[in-house]
Amino acid sequence: EPEVTQTPSHQVTQMGQEVILRCVPISNHLYFYWYRQILGQKVEFLVSFYNNEISEKSEIFDDQFSVERPDGSNFTLKIRSTKLEDSAMYFCASSEPGENSPLHFGNGTRLTVT
Amino acid sequence: QKEVEQDPGPLSVPEGAIVSLNCTYSNSAFQYFMWYRQYSRKGPELLMYTYSSGNKEDGRFTAQVDKSSKYISLFIRDSQPSDSATYLCAMCDQAGTALIFGKGTTLSVSS
Repeated sequence: EPEVTQTPSHQVTQMGQEVILRCVPISNHLYFYWYRQILGQKVEFLVSFYNNEISEKSEIFDDQFSVERPDGSNFTLKIRSTKLEDSAMYFCASSEPGENSPLHFGNGTRLTVT
Repeated sequence: QKEVEQDPGPLSVPEGAIVSLNCTYSNSAFQYFMWYRQYSRKGPELLMYTYSSGNKEDGRFTAQVDKSSKYISLFIRDSQPSDSATYLCAMCDQAGTALIFGKGTTLSVSS
């Protein structure tokens, strides 16, 4: 069964550094998402992306975050200047267009900011 | 206000038991309801997807949505140790928009 793949599985970075989290969505999916889950807390929506632009973003997704689809297969989340509170699991998800198209999630990247 | 409430448990049952997991929500605009299973250090895995009210069955799993009560349920019949995981409810008002998740219920099925 096709799946969403994310790399790396674990990223450790120092505060203030830039990180790029990478995702390969399911090939025929057209909607792409990033969610995050801080340890012990709910999964939270960050951003959705369709047709090469952001379609929706949460208040968490501030100016330090950006997303990009640099080619036909990858979808990336960049955090420009990481903070300690950015430490979390970051999940990429994708879905087909249409009403009955649930999200399929990757296994996440665990980001640790020291 | 978009909020979803879910009892975090933990819930412990013996193998073969029927498990009932529930979420309540406050936003009457929610129309799409999902249940995800999440194993430790893994991403959410879609179990059930329901539009509007009603029941949906898939093998040992049954999802129920009661929009009048703003209440959704997931039933697991003949529970197995491999069902031990965290179960997340999630919902949204329009297809393709942000999912709002519950905090998840941790289930442990003992053999």
